[in-house]
Formats: sequence, structure tokens, C-alpha cells
Amino acid sequence: NAGVTQTPKFQVLKTGQSMTLQCAQDMNHNSMYWYRQDPGMGLRLIYYSASEGTTDKGEVPNGYNVSRLNKREFSLRLESAAPSQTSVYFCASSISRDLYEKLFFGSGTQLSVL
Amino acid sequence: DQQVKQNSPSLSVQEGRISILNCDYTNSMFDYFLWYKKYPAEGPTFLISISSIKDKNEDGRFTVFLNKSAKHLSLHIVPSQPGDSAVYFCAAARMEYGNKLVFGAGTILRVKS
Repeated sequence: NAGVTQTPKFQVLKTGQSMTLQCAQDMNHNSMYWYRQDPGMGLRLIYYSASEGTTDKGEVPNGYNVSRLNKREFSLRLESAAPSQTSVYFCASSISRDLYEKLFFGSGTQLSVL
Repeated sequence: DQQVKQNSPSLSVQEGRISILNCDYTNSMFDYFLWYKKYPAEGPTFLISISSIKDKNEDGRFTVFLNKSAKHLSLHIVPSQPGDSAVYFCAAARMEYGNKLVFGAGTILRVKS
């Protein structure tokens, strides 16, 4: 019963390096999301995908790109990492984008950019 | 400017007593509110929600109260148990935007046995 799986769990990058955070869900959910969590702030939405083949910007999309590879997988890419992107990243999924559909979160990726 | 605020970074409560976690919001267009709970090294999990047409919703030991005029909601946990020790996030949403949630910064709850 994996739910939402994120890889890697930890990553250290140097400024300017690129990397992709992977996320996969096995609940046959249509919608997927990427959030970041910073100290003293709530989770902020980076990008979301309402359904396979669609992606939209959230509250803080700058510096990121996403790919909805298929129904199961939604990746987040940092093309040129900056120290301001040091954060904990959470992937989530839901059955649909309906207001009443709760989000299921992965356990997070702790990213440090030096 | 944070639209959802949890002004208490932490709260410590004795086992068996009531825990009250508070949340304020500034955007009167929010019409759905949720609480998520997070344990260390895990992702947040849904706890309870309330629609703006209600002022109370109860689920076992957890009750959420909504005061729309004050733009305030609270989560009551009665009785508190050591396993309730976690970070609690308040979140809000607007019907027209679906489940694009706006989260507060969280409150760390410690229940002492």
C-alpha cells in the first residue's frame, strides 16, 4: 500500500546544478501536485496537474518545471538550482480537483542548495 | 501576505486535557477549511474539514469550529493523547478554484503523558 512515493528523500545540490524530483502514486488518482514547505510558512503550491496531459502554475512556480509523464507520475525539475530553493518538497495526489477531494501526500524530499 | 495564519507556533498540553489549535484567515472568499496533521518524516494527512455553511463539524475526538464573522477557525481535540503530538496545518480553499489549498504555517502540538 505505497500511496504516494517520492524520490529521493534527501538531496544536496550546488548552485546552478539541475535535478529532477520524482513522484509516483498508485491510487489511480487523476490530479497531482507539488508543494514546498519552508520554516515559518505553510505549504505553498508550486505546480499542479488536474489530469493526465495538463499542468498549471501554482503560487510559486518560478524556477521550476513539471512533467506529467503519465497518470501515475509527476516530476518536478529544477533547471538551475538556487539557495532560495532549499526547502522540503511534497508531492500529493487526489482523485480529482473537486474541492471536497482530500490530498494524499508523499513523505517529502529535503533539498539543500549550497 | 499570508492569507491563512496560525499565530501559535507551538502548544503543550497534558494528556487527557483539551487541545485547542487556532487559525485565522484574511480572505473572505474562502468557503472550505481543512486541518491536516503531520508527523516527522511523513507527509501531511487529512484530519477534518468544514464548509462555510456550517459552524461546527465533529469526528470522534476532533471538532472544528468556524466563526465566519471573525474569520477564525479552531480545532479542538478532546481528550488529547500522546499520539496526537504532531504539526497541525490549517488550510483554506475557494470553491471556484477546487482543491488548491492555502496553508497556514502550522502549530506544533506536544501532548505530555
